[in-house]
Amino acid sequence: GESVGLHLPTLSVQEGDNSIINCAYSNSASDYFIWYKQESGKGPQFIIDIRSNMDKRQGQRVTVLLNKTVKHLSLQIAATQPGDSAVYFCAEFISGSARQLTFGSGTQLTVLP
Amino acid sequence: DAGVIQSPRHEVTEMGQEVTLRCKPISGHNSLFWYRQTMMRGLELLIYFNNNVPIDDSGMPEDRFSAKMPNASFSTLKIQPSEPRDSAVYFCASRLIPDKSYEQYFGPGTRLTVT
Repeated sequence: GESVGLHLPTLSVQEGDNSIINCAYSNSASDYFIWYKQESGKGPQFIIDIRSNMDKRQGQRVTVLLNKTVKHLSLQIAATQPGDSAVYFCAEFISGSARQLTFGSGTQLTVLP
Repeated sequence: DAGVIQSPRHEVTEMGQEVTLRCKPISGHNSLFWYRQTMMRGLELLIYFNNNVPIDDSGMPEDRFSAKMPNASFSTLKIQPSEPRDSAVYFCASRLIPDKSYEQYFGPGTRLTVT
């Protein structure tokens, strides 16, 4: 059959609005999470991290929320700017395990003028 | 500070040729990762090294792929022979272990096209 590529979830927001990007992680044993931002033609760049003993962490214009009950992460970007347009990945990690970061498939954020 | 350095940034080669991708991790980092990114499969971990020793190569697709880290400041990923399905962006990343953060620092990637 014909191969298809990943269908990246997309989110379009108006400049100045707040953005919420969601991620469902797979392993209930994961205890550390990172959000990465990948701009076109560049490598992923760290945004913010959170450990499983927290349910919220804030950075500059970004907030990450963690709901361990439903294995869900969200990244909130306040006052979204054109430079925020990128693909956003969540990554999970089990500290002490031999495996490394496991990346989600990503969400494409487009900021509209 | 220099980040992770990868070369070449772009590589176009013909099927059957050998391809070597290079990576210089951030100075002082002792863990190095090779990833492949495609539209089909997203970002996949191929192999990683701790203190120059390969720890997990379960992500290496097949024997045509090999990676080495002869010293703390240099690693190579080799594909021999290359095939069109190897076309992808290959990223190298590094981090310091142990560290309170598990953040990996990514290089700019090498875009490989095999025709």
